[in-house]
Amino acid sequence: EPEVTQTPSHQVTQMGQEVILRCVPISNHLYFYWYRQILGQKVEFLVSFYNNEISEKSEIFDDQFSVERPDGSNFTLKIRSTKLEDSAMYFCASRIPPGGYTFGSGTRLTVV
Amino acid sequence: KNEVEQSPQNLTAQEGEFITINCSYSVGISALHWLQQHPGGGIVSLFMLSSGKKKHGRLIATINIQEKHSSLHITASHPRDSAVYICAVPHGGATNKLIFGTGTLLAVQP
Repeated sequence: EPEVTQTPSHQVTQMGQEVILRCVPISNHLYFYWYRQILGQKVEFLVSFYNNEISEKSEIFDDQFSVERPDGSNFTLKIRSTKLEDSAMYFCASRIPPGGYTFGSGTRLTVV
Repeated sequence: KNEVEQSPQNLTAQEGEFITINCSYSVGISALHWLQQHPGGGIVSLFMLSSGKKKHGRLIATINIQEKHSSLHITASHPRDSAVYICAVPHGGATNKLIFGTGTLLAVQP
């Protein structure tokens, strides 16, 4: 069964550093998403991406965040200057309507 | 006000018991998702349903669109069913982003 692959599984970074979280969605899917889950809290929507551009973003997704799909396969989330409160599990997901979502296994980001 | 509410938040069951997890939502939806999250964090999609009932193995999901309510049932529960079960609904915008419930932590004891 096709999978959404995320790397790395765990990243530790110093406050103020830039991080790039990587995802390889399912190849024929059309919609791509990033969600995050702060420890002990519910999963929250960050951004959706369709037709090579951001289609929707949440209030969380401020100027320090950016997404790219540079080569038609990888889908990346960049955090420019990490803060302690960015520590969370970040999930990539993809879908092709009318089907449901396929989630990646997540990247646990720890900012120290 | 939470748009997706789940109950109970925590559930402990003995192996073999029949389990029910409930989800209520306040927004209009096209479909509802039940997801499973194991320790370590990965999310697996269990069901997407827009009406009636779906069954997969020992898992059954039902939805009542008029009442804005869904249930996830596990028959003959097993310790390997221990996980967080999350209800999520697509809402708003063109891309059907998901709004998640807080999850139900299920522990099935042998």
